[in-house]
Amino acid sequence: LAKTTQPISMDSYEGQEVNITCSHNNIATNDYITWYQQFPSQGPRFIIQGYKTKVTNEVASLFIPADRKSSTLSLPRVSLSDTAVYYCLVGDINKAAGNKLTFGGGTRVLVKP
Amino acid sequence: EADIYQTPRYLVIGTGKKITLECSQTMGHDKMYWYQQDPGMELHLIHYSYGVNSTEKGDLSSESTVSRIRTEHFPLTLESARPSHTSQYLCASSDRGGLNEQFFGPGTRLTVL
Repeated sequence: LAKTTQPISMDSYEGQEVNITCSHNNIATNDYITWYQQFPSQGPRFIIQGYKTKVTNEVASLFIPADRKSSTLSLPRVSLSDTAVYYCLVGDINKAAGNKLTFGGGTRVLVKP
Repeated sequence: EADIYQTPRYLVIGTGKKITLECSQTMGHDKMYWYQQDPGMELHLIHYSYGVNSTEKGDLSSESTVSRIRTEHFPLTLESARPSHTSQYLCASSDRGGLNEQFFGPGTRLTVL
């Protein structure tokens, strides 16, 4: 799996947009980029996944430049309940080998009032 | 809402005891996973399964064992618990195709005295 690098932590305020950038310089042709969210004492929860350009759902947007060596998760108008750890993962979702995911350290986002 | 369950949620046990952590999912997913996570630290994959009668070791070496006799059930066993096994254990499952999103259970927090 491609190694990912993301900031250890970020602080924000309610109502602001939060952008978390993940670097994955060694991403392979068949790799997808997936983001998960984890609240304390809970398992991670899938947020969004993409291959290239931009993907948007009801929770977030994912921006992927043409070279795919990085990606940015955008959380619009965050609230206190968005305080969590956000993980960027890269891998081939179609591989038969168990779809193993490597979560890494993640980015701790703290939303302040 | 994902239907994946783990019991017990919390377990405090003495050294040397045999324990089994239960994980069940009602989504008919072929793939199931066990992760280990210490507080504030990364998730580490310790076991995974492609389907019935299939189990593989994950990226992090673990003294635990798993079995997959039924699609919906993926229990994890520690034959002789030690304080070093104190951690949170998270079970997850995913479908074979599509986005392969992993659905996580609520976790079992294990403390070995």
